[in-house]
Amino acid sequence: GQNIDQPTEMTATEGAIVQINCTYQTSGFNGLFWYQQHAGEAPTFLSYNVLDGLEEKGRFSSFLSRSKGYSYLLLKELQMKDSASYLCAVGTDSNYQLIWGAGTKLIIKP
Amino acid sequence: KAGVTQTPRYLIKTRGQQVTLSCSPISGHRSVSWYQQTPGQGLQFLFEYFSETQRNKGNFPGRFSGRQFSNSRSEMNVSTLELGDSALYLCASSLWTATNNEQFFGPGTRLTVL
Repeated sequence: GQNIDQPTEMTATEGAIVQINCTYQTSGFNGLFWYQQHAGEAPTFLSYNVLDGLEEKGRFSSFLSRSKGYSYLLLKELQMKDSASYLCAVGTDSNYQLIWGAGTKLIIKP
Repeated sequence: KAGVTQTPRYLIKTRGQQVTLSCSPISGHRSVSWYQQTPGQGLQFLFEYFSETQRNKGNFPGRFSGRQFSNSRSEMNVSTLELGDSALYLCASSLWTATNNEQFFGPGTRLTVL
């Protein structure tokens, strides 16, 4: 079957760094996405990795290891507005859908 | 470029009724996917349409159906509503090419079934 695992909830302190992990087992791989979703809102795109390595975009970075079926999202200099759910999704070679993890709820404390 | 739009934004129905939700994708996007999201849950895939054809369907009962029009606008219908159908329904559009399957989400329709 196809499966994506993420921690359910994480807590971090304002100004700190947090790493959200995502492991996946899918039939085929065509890239991994991270989305941010604030409560009651739609998910918004954060990052996309298709090759191994680190992609950096401002305070957010995303890493991918295809051989390990593993990715992480790194958030630096945390701000209160980063409190949200972070969704990991994998594109596969077929079946025309992204496979979604259940999301990680990130709570930022002052 | 205008984003994905969904109508209505909020809807209250009673058990047994039916509902139709609408989604207009980003101009040029021919792929539209529908998801159901309940509190604390991830995105549950309903179906995906591309150029008026349903290419994939999630594990939902036949009460959930959809269609796509020639202008790529899509509708989903839920018949014989149940209390458990209360959820946020999200539509996402995509170019869905071999190298680009990023999905852009609409604001969602929040359905409450009483």
